[in-house]
Amino acid sequence: QKEVEQNSGPLSVPEGAIASLNCTYSDRGSQSFFWYRQYSGKSPELIMSIYSNGDKEDGRFTAQLNKASQYVSLLIRDSQPSDSATYLCAVNRYNNNDMRFGAGTRLTVKP
Amino acid sequence: ETGVTQTPRHLVMGMTNKKSLKCEQHLGHNAMYWYKQSAKKPLELMFVYNFKEQTENNSVPSRFSPECPNSSHLFLHLHTLQPEDSALYLCASSKRLPDRAEGNTIYFGEGSWLTVV
Repeated sequence: QKEVEQNSGPLSVPEGAIASLNCTYSDRGSQSFFWYRQYSGKSPELIMSIYSNGDKEDGRFTAQLNKASQYVSLLIRDSQPSDSATYLCAVNRYNNNDMRFGAGTRLTVKP
Repeated sequence: ETGVTQTPRHLVMGMTNKKSLKCEQHLGHNAMYWYKQSAKKPLELMFVYNFKEQTENNSVPSRFSPECPNSSHLFLHLHTLQPEDSALYLCASSKRLPDRAEGNTIYFGEGSWLTVV
């Protein structure tokens, strides 16, 4: 079983729609959860972090965490073509440096 | 500009060459990392340094040799690599060995694209 699982995609949504990206993780001790965006040929950049169950909103982005189900998601509202990228889910325990990444979901937003 | 600078951005080397990747962070962090990213695979953690001391070595072959002279600089020395080592090598940094959930966000450099021929 992979430690962090994501649907590899590609996920295609029309411009203006809501994109929903999902991630499950196996380590029940995980306490920190992150979403990174990676454009082709570029390095990952942090979009959101979430540490408590529930929703966390930042502009068009909403992260959702359910520790009981070991599930974290990212919603992108009013999707734009510039959101087209690979989205990486990452999880970590707070007391170590070994952050685990999923393989990423490739999102395409069509004009 | 993420505050983490990597050089060179692109490197082509033969299997018998010796080369080094360099990373410098300007964020005041004291934990630094090397990750490997191959096509369609998750990011793989290679090495972690915390306050210049190596704290993780995830079974990385000895042909990869890290060096951390201080909290701001990190090197990856490359020696007799194989073609399958061709990948994007990412340096990253974070504030410290985190003692709470909010303390361990990591920030990546732009990466060094390595091709072994």
